Amino acid sequence: GAGVSQSPSNKVTEKGKDVELRCDPISGHTALYWYRQRLGQGLEFLIYFQGNSAPDKSGLPSDRFSAERTGESVSTLTIQRTQQEDSAVYLCASSLEGRGFADTQYFGPGTRLTVL
Amino acid sequence: AQSVTQLGSHVSVSEGALVLLRCNYSSSVPPYLFWYVQYPNQGLQLLLKYTSAATLVKGINGFEAEFKKSETSFHLTKPSAHMSDAAEYFCASSYRGSTLGRLYFGRGTQLTVWP
Repeated sequence: GAGVSQSPSNKVTEKGKDVELRCDPISGHTALYWYRQRLGQGLEFLIYFQGNSAPDKSGLPSDRFSAERTGESVSTLTIQRTQQEDSAVYLCASSLEGRGFADTQYFGPGTRLTVL
Repeated sequence: AQSVTQLGSHVSVSEGALVLLRCNYSSSVPPYLFWYVQYPNQGLQLLLKYTSAATLVKGINGFEAEFKKSETSFHLTKPSAHMSDAAEYFCASSYRGSTLGRLYFGRGTQLTVWP
């Protein structure tokens, strides 16, 4: 079956512009995660959605970052007034239930964001 | 605080040689531990995971890892490297009490395999 897909694969924007990144999880997966991977660093957790529960936004670095998810489907990550330090690869992952700490997360290929 | 440290950002081995990628964790509670592999322009793929059932975990592509509580380590090994193993490898952990399923990642180790 189809894996996690993300779009666009690459995004170049100017400082101060807003960007929207999209994630399509695996069908039937109720849990969805966003991570950020900056050059030379590991992945940083951003936000977590589980079904219709309130999302865990504890990893969002600033109020310029927001994310939405409609039910158990597509999620969008929005970065307002982008800054150069926002340049990174943004990865989305989904898991079947998100009820277990050992659930396998399936990752998309990522969106590479470059802020000029 | 929970964290994962990968020793060595780059590892090079010859084809057929032993692969050893190091990972140490820091946690006040028992962790769940994972190794993921990332091929160029692809998403992360799970190699194996430790969930406390057995300390020696076997994964895909001939990789295995051993959980050693006394050393707080979860090193990844493969007896004989193949050219197709060249990729970036990430060690990660999750913990009870944190965001459900949230993964804490190391910085990654780039594995190069020489012919």
